[in-house]
Amino acid sequence: AQSVAQPEDQVNVAEGNPLTVKCTYSVSGNPYLFWYVQYPNRGLQFLLKYITGDNLVKGSYGFEAEFNKSQTSFHLKKPSALVSDSALYFCAVRDINTGFQKLVFGTGTRLLVSP
Amino acid sequence: KAGVTQTPRYLIKTRGQQVTLSCSPISGHRSVSWYQQTPGQGLQFLFEYFSETQRNKGNFPGRFSGRQFSNSRSEMNVSTLELGDSALYLCASGLAGGPSYEQYFGPGTRLTVT
Repeated sequence: AQSVAQPEDQVNVAEGNPLTVKCTYSVSGNPYLFWYVQYPNRGLQFLLKYITGDNLVKGSYGFEAEFNKSQTSFHLKKPSALVSDSALYFCAVRDINTGFQKLVFGTGTRLLVSP
Repeated sequence: KAGVTQTPRYLIKTRGQQVTLSCSPISGHRSVSWYQQTPGQGLQFLFEYFSETQRNKGNFPGRFSGRQFSNSRSEMNVSTLELGDSALYLCASGLAGGPSYEQYFGPGTRLTVT
């Protein structure tokens, strides 16, 4: 079964420092990977996706993610964190076994950026 | 372009009642999926509709049902509500052109069952 794991419940970083939110995946076949962000009392906002091609994917709000096939990882990164980046981040994989649009989500990582 | 809209945003119901939630997808999107978000179980897939047909269903009891209309708007219904149904229900729409397409989520409906 397709799955993703987010090993950290929370990540703390100071404003201006680089941030990394970790995600590892387990899939059969090609991985279709996504990152979403959720602010309080809001739905999920799409940040970026990996389908194929370049291992470094650039997304919204200055975020990027590095796909690593040998380590089965898809870590979310940003060179310089902002306080406004504080939110809940979800990694997800498309469940191609059942087909269609179903996404399987990780447990989420809370990012806290301190001033 | 308007985003995914969900109504109502907040709902309080009593055990045993039923509830209907509504979702309007982004214009041109024909796929609508529903997810349940709880602190304990995280984000779980409920079902997906495309062209008025349910084509995928998650592991939820039959009390959870849905439908899609010809204009792609979707509703989900939960009958005989239980306390454990308290959750944020998220609707997502997409182009449904294949596995590479992202989904866009609405703000959710917060359901509280007392």
